[in-house]
Amino acid sequence: EAGVTQFPSHSVIEKGQTVTLRCDPISGHDNLYWYRRVMGKEIKFLLHFVKESKQDESGMPNNRFLAERTGGTYSTLKVQPAELEDSGVYFCASSFDRRNTGELFFGEGSRLTVL
Amino acid sequence: AQSVAQPEDQVNVAEGNPLTVKCTYSVSGNPYLFWYVQYPNRGLQFLLKYITGDNLVKGSYGFEAEFNKSQTSFHLKKPSALVSDSALYFCAVRDKGSGNTGKLIFGQGTTLQVKP
Repeated sequence: EAGVTQFPSHSVIEKGQTVTLRCDPISGHDNLYWYRRVMGKEIKFLLHFVKESKQDESGMPNNRFLAERTGGTYSTLKVQPAELEDSGVYFCASSFDRRNTGELFFGEGSRLTVL
Repeated sequence: AQSVAQPEDQVNVAEGNPLTVKCTYSVSGNPYLFWYVQYPNRGLQFLLKYITGDNLVKGSYGFEAEFNKSQTSFHLKKPSALVSDSALYFCAVRDKGSGNTGKLIFGQGTTLQVKP
């Protein structure tokens, strides 16, 4: 069974440009989460989808970030326009756990560098 | 406010020695606690969790963690470290304010270095 896959693994862009990160969760996992780790600090929650619906987007930093999960399968996270402080590693995670106990399956992350 | 603290940026141990990676938490009520590990160039991987029951929780790869409510701690332990245990370890607690979801609050991570 394939795990959570993320693309690209590393993206280097200039300030003001746009980047779209993609996450393919494990097949059948209704829950999809985006997290971010900036500058070696703690990993912070960005948002949570249940199927195609945004359950919680309280962690999204600002309106330059847009997440979608059309059809309830893969998800994209777009940053437009990117700023220097957006640099970090963006993790996607999924789970099937209907009790949502917090046992998540993570992808390898997409490292974003904004110059 | 809910939070998780990992007081050590790095822990160094010799192979074969016991290891402890520390974690303390701040959350009201009974916490759901987790340890995740990130090996180089890999995603985070679930190690173990505490929800209720026995305070000593056993997980993958011979790791265990002890829930201590009075000290609000959930330290990760292993009796005999392996070089292959070298990785980045994250402690996390489920965000109780979000209701019944998998939204986690993570600590800043501790790098474990096991030397031969």
